[in-house]
Amino acid sequence: AQKITQTQPGMFVQEKEAVTLDCTYDTSDPSYGLFWYKQPSSGEMIFLIYQGSYDQQNATEGRYSLNFQKARKSANLVISASQLGDSAMYFCAMREVGGGADGLTFGKGTHLIIQP
Amino acid sequence: EAGVAQSPRYKIIEKRQSVAFWCNPISGHATLYWYQQILGQGPKLLIQFQNNGVVDDSQLPKDRFSAERLKGVDSTLKIQPAKLEDSAVYLCASSLRRTAGYETQYFGPGTRLLVL
Repeated sequence: AQKITQTQPGMFVQEKEAVTLDCTYDTSDPSYGLFWYKQPSSGEMIFLIYQGSYDQQNATEGRYSLNFQKARKSANLVISASQLGDSAMYFCAMREVGGGADGLTFGKGTHLIIQP
Repeated sequence: EAGVAQSPRYKIIEKRQSVAFWCNPISGHATLYWYQQILGQGPKLLIQFQNNGVVDDSQLPKDRFSAERLKGVDSTLKIQPAKLEDSAVYLCASSLRRTAGYETQYFGPGTRLLVL
């Protein structure tokens, strides 16, 4: 079963608009972490934001915020005031803390293109 | 602070040949991961080291892939013999320690492998 689902293969957004990238996840572990990474065409994965399963408030990092809805198992990334440099692949990922393996499980990604 | 270093950046080989990738994690990071990212997909964990011991290699195709992390610092990933389906980007990541769910994984630039 797919643990991370990103339903938007691609998105076009006008510069300066806000954009929401969807992510739903599936886990039976009560303790987990949710991450968003940005991957520009150069290929490097850039960490953006983290949300822990026990965190009471939504995480924010500059223009990035994570809309965490635990009951719905969703962890959407919101980018405010988008910029041309935001054009990239965006991956949602989960880390389950309770098991022996704690590598990240990634979704298939969303290709975001910011238009001037 | 220097990031995760990987070499080579690009490699082209013919099927049935062997190839090796090198990774140097961020200084002081105890945990090291190798991921395989096939075109159009999110990264998939191959193997995870804690210091010089293997924590998880359940998704490593052990008939052809091997990895080691001697002395708990640098790591090498080897493929022998390579198949066409091994064409992918191989990403190395490191984190400070394994015990906490919020530990961020920092990724290197990746090695792009093309098997002809």
